[in-house]
Amino acid sequence: AQSVTQLDSQVPVFEEAPVELRCNYSSSVSVYLFWYVQYPNQGLQLLLKYLSGSTLVKGINGFEAEFNKSQTSFHLRKPSVHISDTAEYFCAVSRMDSSYKLIFGSGTRLLVRP
Amino acid sequence: ETGVTQSPTHLIKTRGQQVTLRCSSQSGHNTVSWYQQALGQGPQFIFQYYREEENGRGNFPPRFSGLQFPNYSSELNVNALELDDSALYLCASSQTGGAGDTQYFGPGTRLTVL
Repeated sequence: AQSVTQLDSQVPVFEEAPVELRCNYSSSVSVYLFWYVQYPNQGLQLLLKYLSGSTLVKGINGFEAEFNKSQTSFHLRKPSVHISDTAEYFCAVSRMDSSYKLIFGSGTRLLVRP
Repeated sequence: ETGVTQSPTHLIKTRGQQVTLRCSSQSGHNTVSWYQQALGQGPQFIFQYYREEENGRGNFPPRFSGLQFPNYSSELNVNALELDDSALYLCASSQTGGAGDTQYFGPGTRLTVL
């Protein structure tokens, strides 16, 4: 079975500061990794995903994430956040040998303060 | 290009009733997945439909059922509603349903069971 752990339920940060949202996963098989963002009263939007190749993945809105296989982590980073980045962020995995489901973490609320 | 749409936006039901939620997939997508997102938690996979056939199911009881139509739109039906069914129900469509394929989410239907 697969599981995803997002250790921080909430991360407060000041505007223009850097931020890292942590994600660790557990799986007995190889997985693909995803980060989604959910703004208030909206569905989820894909920020980035790791399928293969370079372990540093760049996504939309200036976000990037690094896949670390030995530490089973996929942390999300942004060098300078904006007020508009305030949202809920979800890390998710899906098995490489299975097509049908994303397994999500419990989410991290990023709160950007002026 | 129209994104994923869901209806209704909000719904209030009482215990024991039945509910039908609807989803229109993004143009060109033949796979639809449904997720339940309880308050403060990450989405949980309910099931996926690929070309009108159920393609995988999560740990949800049989009173959760679905359909996919020839135009790839989909319905989620929940019978004998329970209080714990109160949640945001998200529909996601993807181009092929293959592992690693990006799932595009709709804005969700907020179901409240009283």
